[in-house]
Amino acid sequence: DAGITQSPRHKVTETGTPVTLRCHQTENHRYMYWYRQDPGHGLRLIHYSYGVKDTDKGEVSDGYSVSRSKTEDFLLTLESATSSQTSVYFCAIRTPGTGAYNEQFFGPGTRLTVL
Amino acid sequence: KNEVEQSPQNLTAQEGEFITINCSYSVGISALHWLQQHPGGGIVSLFMLSSGKKKHGRLIATINIQEKHSSLHITASHPRDSAVYICAVRHGGSQGNLIFGKGTKLSVKP
Repeated sequence: DAGITQSPRHKVTETGTPVTLRCHQTENHRYMYWYRQDPGHGLRLIHYSYGVKDTDKGEVSDGYSVSRSKTEDFLLTLESATSSQTSVYFCAIRTPGTGAYNEQFFGPGTRLTVL
Repeated sequence: KNEVEQSPQNLTAQEGEFITINCSYSVGISALHWLQQHPGGGIVSLFMLSSGKKKHGRLIATINIQEKHSSLHITASHPRDSAVYICAVRHGGSQGNLIFGKGTKLSVKP
């Protein structure tokens, strides 16, 4: 198993509160990703990182920010949670290489409920 | 129109049946992935392919780059194969990020 953990695994919070989700890897890979998964949608990219302090937006980045101060940790922050951010969040890492030689491994997911 | 389309969305089969799930895409890709997600579970990579065919046990994945189409086949299906199967393509540009289909929910009845 690729060494990816997410914390917390489950969280219930109230609208307007800040929330931070953590993704931790032991593989020392450069690329890390945050996705959300919702019924009726495929996995959608929120933000990704291609190195320490190097991050970029995905297709559904509004309302989210990220930080990567160490290779092993990628944090996703909801500054002021809204009910529309209720979702299952997956972190992923990508192995080195180009194109057809990249594999992507997913963390176990975090189920977030915003009341 | 979604860049990655899967069919069918839902599939129910009897144990032992041969199953095919299809994936069509509209963008240039460097690779295509097939992923599996069991109910309430994590996401596991089954295959990554850029041409031809790959086989792991009862699972076979094929890709036709010219037709922008891939299929995932399951031979001698079993109830433990019940899961959501997700097709994802690695875009040729955009830092090579993955674009995902919405998934195919497979239920295999004993």
